[in-house]
Amino acid sequence: QKEVEQNSGPLSVPEGAIASLNCTYSDRGSQSFFWYRQYSGKSPELIMFIYSNGDKEDGRFTAQLNKASQYVSLLIRDSQPSDSATYLCAVNIYTGGFKTIFGAGTRLFVKA
Amino acid sequence: DTEVTQTPKHLVMGMTNKKSLKCEQHMGHRAMYWYKQKAKKPPELMFVYSYEKLSINESVPSRFSPECPNSSLLNLHLHALQPEDSALYLCASSQDPQGRGTYEQYFGPGTRLTVT
Repeated sequence: QKEVEQNSGPLSVPEGAIASLNCTYSDRGSQSFFWYRQYSGKSPELIMFIYSNGDKEDGRFTAQLNKASQYVSLLIRDSQPSDSATYLCAVNIYTGGFKTIFGAGTRLFVKA
Repeated sequence: DTEVTQTPKHLVMGMTNKKSLKCEQHMGHRAMYWYKQKAKKPPELMFVYSYEKLSINESVPSRFSPECPNSSLLNLHLHALQPEDSALYLCASSQDPQGRGTYEQYFGPGTRLTVT
């Protein structure tokens, strides 16, 4: 089992729809969870972080964390073509010491 | 201000060259990171500096040599690289004093390295 797993996609949604991105992780001791957006040829940009179970909302973005199920998700409401990017889930995982591990990323396409 | 800067933006070097990548942050962060990212892959951690001391080395070949001259600067010295080392090299910083991934990291724009 990979330490941080995401569906690679591509996930295609129409403009204005809700995009739902999912991530599972292997370490029950993980405490910090991050979502980054990466446009092609650019560096990752932090869009959300969450530490506690439940939902965290910031504008059109909502992060959801369920530590019992080892699951974190990102919802993007009113998706726009400019949201088309790769979304990376990152988790602090213990592998002989805690460090940030990135999932492989999910490619999102928002169709106008 | 959440800016991390990196220079140069692009670098082409031969396998016998010596070059350096530079990273700077002015957010007062005490942890700084080097990542390597190949096309269509996630960033892979290379090194972590915590309070200017190397705290994590992910078994990176010695042809990559990191240096942290002060709390704002991070360098990556390159020597005798191979073509497979061509990638986007990303610097990041975090308020996480131990570099344990507890807090969010902010990435610089990266250096696109091509080894010929």
